[in-house]
Amino acid sequence: EGQLVESGGGVIQPGGSLRLSCAASGVTVSDNYMSWVRQAPGKGLEWVSVSYGDGNRFYADSVRGRFTISRDNSKNTMYLHMNGLRADDTAVYFCAREYFFGACDIWGQGTMVTVSS
Amino acid sequence: EIVLTQSPGTLSLSPGEGATLSCRASQSVSSNNLAWYQQRPGQAPRLLIFGASTRATGIPDRFSGSGSGTDFTLTISTLEPEDFAVYYCQHFGNLPRLTFGGGTKVEIK
Repeated sequence: EGQLVESGGGVIQPGGSLRLSCAASGVTVSDNYMSWVRQAPGKGLEWVSVSYGDGNRFYADSVRGRFTISRDNSKNTMYLHMNGLRADDTAVYFCAREYFFGACDIWGQGTMVTVSS
Repeated sequence: EIVLTQSPGTLSLSPGEGATLSCRASQSVSSNNLAWYQQRPGQAPRLLIFGASTRATGIPDRFSGSGSGTDFTLTISTLEPEDFAVYYCQHFGNLPRLTFGGGTKVEIK
């Protein structure tokens, strides 16, 4: 069974940058649609970005122009490069594998990003 | 953009009782594109149902999904202690690619 492990979260000042990683095992990142989903403290789930196997990438309006999703197929790892961080980006960030019409069957444990001065 | 409205916001029930959770879409959607998740405190979401009615691998048969068009339902036939959690419905479509409902919390009465 596949496993995803996120890392890279932390406390960062407004306007700062951070790179999150999502390391996969038992599932091949390059063969799958992989998404980032975030959850602000005490709130619901919000889709952030998706990376297609063919290299296409899409973003939520709230992060477009500030966040970039990428992959390193040799490391079987997906990344989320976050620039211009704002307080409302504070959340747990999950990576997930899309299985069937967007239904995500494999999730990481999440990594917390706190944007605060 | 599809908006998913879940109701009720909170369900207070006892173990052994049944639960019915609703998810209403702002416009008609394909059943293929509707999924349900369970999220326990401090954990990642867990896929329960995809394609509106198909249980994911390892999901007990007390969980069932139904519905079409704009109205979808997640039913838990008999609540076990581990079922007290927050449940989200999700739609897959054009940007935003994934849209989630606001969640229903099933709490112990």
